[in-house]
Amino acid sequence: AQSVAQPEDQVNVAEGNPLTVKCTYSVSGNPYLFWYVQYPNRGLQFLLKYITGDNLVKGSYGFEAEFNKSQTSFHLKKPSALVSDSALYFCAVRRVTNDYKLSFGAGTTVTVRA
Amino acid sequence: DTGVSQNPRHKITKRGQNVTFRCDPISEHNRLYWYRQTLGQGPEFLTYFQNEAQLEKSRLLSDRFSAERPKGSFSTLEIQRTEQGDSAMYLCASSLTGGAGTEAFFGQGTRLTVV
Repeated sequence: AQSVAQPEDQVNVAEGNPLTVKCTYSVSGNPYLFWYVQYPNRGLQFLLKYITGDNLVKGSYGFEAEFNKSQTSFHLKKPSALVSDSALYFCAVRRVTNDYKLSFGAGTTVTVRA
Repeated sequence: DTGVSQNPRHKITKRGQNVTFRCDPISEHNRLYWYRQTLGQGPEFLTYFQNEAQLEKSRLLSDRFSAERPKGSFSTLEIQRTEQGDSAMYLCASSLTGGAGTEAFFGQGTRLTVV
């Protein structure tokens, strides 16, 4: 079985401040990890993924995420948040096998205030 | 826009009616996935296809649900005898054939409301 936990339903930050959205995972074996963002009335947009290699992954729109195997975490970060980053963020995991379904967390709503 | 396309965007139906949704994936993508998303939850996997073959179905996909991808291109998801609990956003995604690290691209979804 595989699962993802996003411990914070909401994250509120001021524009220009660092943004962190937390994600922990549970999977048998090694994971593939993904972050998606969902804007109102829009589909999920892929932000970044961790497959192997460097634990710090860079993605779209200035976002990055750090894979920490010992803490089974994959937190999403942005050094300086923008109001336009306000959206719903989902972390997802796949097992490193021929298993192509994603297991998503419940999502974290990010609000960036001007 | 050559992304994943889903139709209709919204569907309101009476309980007990049948509904069908369509998904057109990105043209070169061999894999196609269906997910369901309810309010306050992340998407939940329903089923996926590689070309025209349906390779996995979730336990969430009751016998009232059926999905097809007859020519390995577009896909349809049909729900028979709809129930109020079927009200949700139905998301389609597609990806290239590759390892499990290949990212999926999602459509905007079809929002189903059963009244």
